[in-house]
Amino acid sequence: DVKVTQSSRYLVKRTGEKVFLECVQDMDHENMFWYRQDPGLGLRLIYFSYDVKMKEKGDIPEGYSVSREKKERFSLILESASTNQTSMYLCASSPIKIGNQPQHFGDGTRLSIL
Amino acid sequence: QKEVEQDPGPLSVPEGAIVSLNCTYSNSAFQYFMWYRQYSRKGPELLMYTYSSGNKEDGRFTAQVDKSSKYISLFIRDSQPSDSATYLCAMEYGNKLVFGAGTILRVKS
Repeated sequence: DVKVTQSSRYLVKRTGEKVFLECVQDMDHENMFWYRQDPGLGLRLIYFSYDVKMKEKGDIPEGYSVSREKKERFSLILESASTNQTSMYLCASSPIKIGNQPQHFGDGTRLSIL
Repeated sequence: QKEVEQDPGPLSVPEGAIVSLNCTYSNSAFQYFMWYRQYSRKGPELLMYTYSSGNKEDGRFTAQVDKSSKYISLFIRDSQPSDSATYLCAMEYGNKLVFGAGTILRVKS
């Protein structure tokens, strides 16, 4: 079974802090994704990566950056946290053939910015 | 207009009922269609995955795709309390998935 592990289930930070969310997958997948999930809005793609050191902006990249130094690890960085970044953050991975290989998700990090 | 529209519910049904969950979409470039189930405080897990128009069945679950109408459905037969969750439709083209907002389903015993 694919295992996508997010380092924290719950996180509370203050506005202006730099926040790191970590994600690790154990299936040697090329693609990794970061989403945020908000009520009524569903999942929205922040960034994705299809290879080590590669990254692509998703639909809502503003205020975020990412890092992928190793294939199995994909980090989401909030450069200067703001209250509107309070959300559930979900990491996902999939093999290289996006078109016929669905994404597998971690259990999420619920982030609160005070 | 959102690319993918999904009724957020909540949808409340008695145990044993047939449940119909639906999504409409506007982008004819979508090629793959998925349904994910998400329990409270967990990540989404893949339920069904289809490519072409028509029906795909897996146990109590049937996924239906109508590309001409840009409409997909998930049917759950003999619904159980354990089916209570949020159901997300998702559609893929290129490198990206686009999700519906999710429908909350409650099956009462």
